[in-house]
Amino acid sequence: RKEVEQDPGPFNVPEGATVAFNCTYSNSASQSFFWYRQDCRKEPKLLMSVYSSGNEDGRFTAQLNRASQYISLLIRDSKLSDSATYLCGVGYYGGSQGNLIFGKGTKLSVKP
Amino acid sequence: GAVVSQHPSWVICKSGTSVKIECRSLDFQATTMFWYRQFPKQSLMLMATSNEGSKATYEQGVEKDKFLINHASLTLSTLTVTSAHPEDSSFYICSAYSLRNEKLFFGSGTQLSVL
Repeated sequence: RKEVEQDPGPFNVPEGATVAFNCTYSNSASQSFFWYRQDCRKEPKLLMSVYSSGNEDGRFTAQLNRASQYISLLIRDSKLSDSATYLCGVGYYGGSQGNLIFGKGTKLSVKP
Repeated sequence: GAVVSQHPSWVICKSGTSVKIECRSLDFQATTMFWYRQFPKQSLMLMATSNEGSKATYEQGVEKDKFLINHASLTLSTLTVTSAHPEDSSFYICSAYSLRNEKLFFGSGTQLSVL
């Protein structure tokens, strides 16, 4: 079983739609969780950290479910500019700070 | 926010040559930097952890003699792909962890094409 798994998609949605992605992790000792956005041939950019209590940043909401070992990202009112690949990154106890394991990413395509 | 500079952005080289990629943390010190490789439609794969003043830690399956890492200062790590071959063609990205921000920041990546 891979350490961090994501549905590769693509998710094709119309503008204004709400879309959600999940990311599962296998290491129960995981301690930190992040969502990154990556555009084609560009570096990943941090979208948001994921906290146990859940957190929201504008149209984006991230949640963590430790019992089921997954994190989720919800995007409301999708914009054309949201089209990108979304990577989840998971850090774990005992690893170097910043040493994250990434999923393969979920591709989102928002259509007019 | 913290900035990580990586260059070159892209490089084309002949098979058998060596290529050096630089990664700098511009406004923070990074005792630890990371080097990844990403093939098309694949995940970021950690190649090695670069530790300032000591040897890099390589992931399983990554040849340390082929991918030379030097982290001589708190703001600079370099990755040298020695005797590059076409199968080494990939997108290489570095990252550095900012203790101040408690976040991981990425360089802009280097697209390597070996002919």
